[in-house]
Amino acid sequence: GAVVSQHPSWVICKSGTSVKIECRSLDFQATTMFWYRQFPKQSLMLMATSNEGSKATYEQGVEKDKFLINHASLTLSTLTVTSAHPEDSSFYICSAEGGRAHYGYTFGSGTRLTVV
Amino acid sequence: GENVEQHPSTLSVQEGDSAVIKCTYSDSASNYFPWYKQELGKRPQLIIDIRSNVGEKKDQRIAVTLNKTAKHFSLHITETQPEDSAVYFCAASNAGGTSYGKLTFGQGTILTVHP
Repeated sequence: GAVVSQHPSWVICKSGTSVKIECRSLDFQATTMFWYRQFPKQSLMLMATSNEGSKATYEQGVEKDKFLINHASLTLSTLTVTSAHPEDSSFYICSAEGGRAHYGYTFGSGTRLTVV
Repeated sequence: GENVEQHPSTLSVQEGDSAVIKCTYSDSASNYFPWYKQELGKRPQLIIDIRSNVGEKKDQRIAVTLNKTAKHFSLHITETQPEDSAVYFCAASNAGGTSYGKLTFGQGTILTVHP
């Protein structure tokens, strides 16, 4: 079945630094990637939608300059949290769609980010 | 945009009992309604889904019903087992063409099944 590999699975960083999270579709071409954030005991909140080769569309209230999304290829999308602060600590998870070849969502395994 | 409300937030049942979780949605254009099970620190797992042209779908102990007029859908789990204990999320999207579109999730229900 379809697999999305997400790395790292967890990361601890200092305030003010940047962290990059990668999601790779291993056996299909991900034309669309969705990035979610999930705080403890809360639901998944969509941050942005990215289509290969174009700029990401951010949800209301999500700072595009802070959460940089790159979807330069059909198998790789990255989320960079810039100048991270403790309030950015959360579980980040991607979900990929692959058009006609792969109709449906495939979630990555998630990244637990802790900013200290 | 779409808004999905989910109830109850917690649900505790005895093993063997049934569990029902309900969701309502606001956008009449939504036509795809998946249910996910998420264990702590793990990715959501699709357990069942339904599209708006179907009123009910069943897969072994799990069933989903949809009332388009009232804009609500429900998850039914029968003969619950302790391993069913997890957080369950409903979601809605406007699927079309080659995409399911972006999902809007409900708030989640913590299901606990006591042996």
